[in-house]
Amino acid sequence: KQEVTQIPAALSVPEGENLVLNCSFTDSAIYNLQWFRQDPGKGLTSLLLIQSSQREQTSGRLNASLDKSSGRSTLYIAASQPGDSATYLCALTGGGADGLTFGKGTHLIIQP
Amino acid sequence: ETGVTQTPRHLVMGMTNKKSLKCEQHLGHNAMYWYKQSAKKPLELMFVYNFKEQTENNSVPSRFSPECPNSSHLFLHLHTLQPEDSALYLCASSQDSGRDTEAFFGQGTRLTVV
Repeated sequence: KQEVTQIPAALSVPEGENLVLNCSFTDSAIYNLQWFRQDPGKGLTSLLLIQSSQREQTSGRLNASLDKSSGRSTLYIAASQPGDSATYLCALTGGGADGLTFGKGTHLIIQP
Repeated sequence: ETGVTQTPRHLVMGMTNKKSLKCEQHLGHNAMYWYKQSAKKPLELMFVYNFKEQTENNSVPSRFSPECPNSSHLFLHLHTLQPEDSALYLCASSQDSGRDTEAFFGQGTRLTVV
């Protein structure tokens, strides 16, 4: 059964810093990997999708990479802002089942 | 706004009540999903519908009953729930349930069982 781990569970940094969120998975036979953002009490907003044939995706200040062989993905946030404060979730498809398998998320606080 | 709308946003129900959660997507997708998000746990997939056919039931208790009358609408019927069923219930859709497609989520229904 696929397991997804996100490290760190929580992170607090001053505004302006660059930061990296980590996601690891146990079964490298994955298809897509998606990074989501969740604000308190709200739904999920899709940030980046890395499809099975890709290794990287970029959107504005966000860059996500995927290394299937090592079972890892990273989300890089450049020049962090207080509005980036949220929980960031990593999720992937694969393993013979439909739907996404999620990690527990990284709770990020950007201090003004 | 992601194109996936869930109602109600909040629901409080007693253990003997019957209620339904509704999800509607305006993205022209063919696959719809129910997920449960409990405190301190990862999101858990509950049900998958692809072209109105249920393709996944992730060992969900029978007190949760899904219904998908068409590709745009998904319901979750609730009856005789337990307090531990209190959670955020999230609906999602994707082009189909193929594994290369991107999922879009609604804002969720916060359910409290008393």
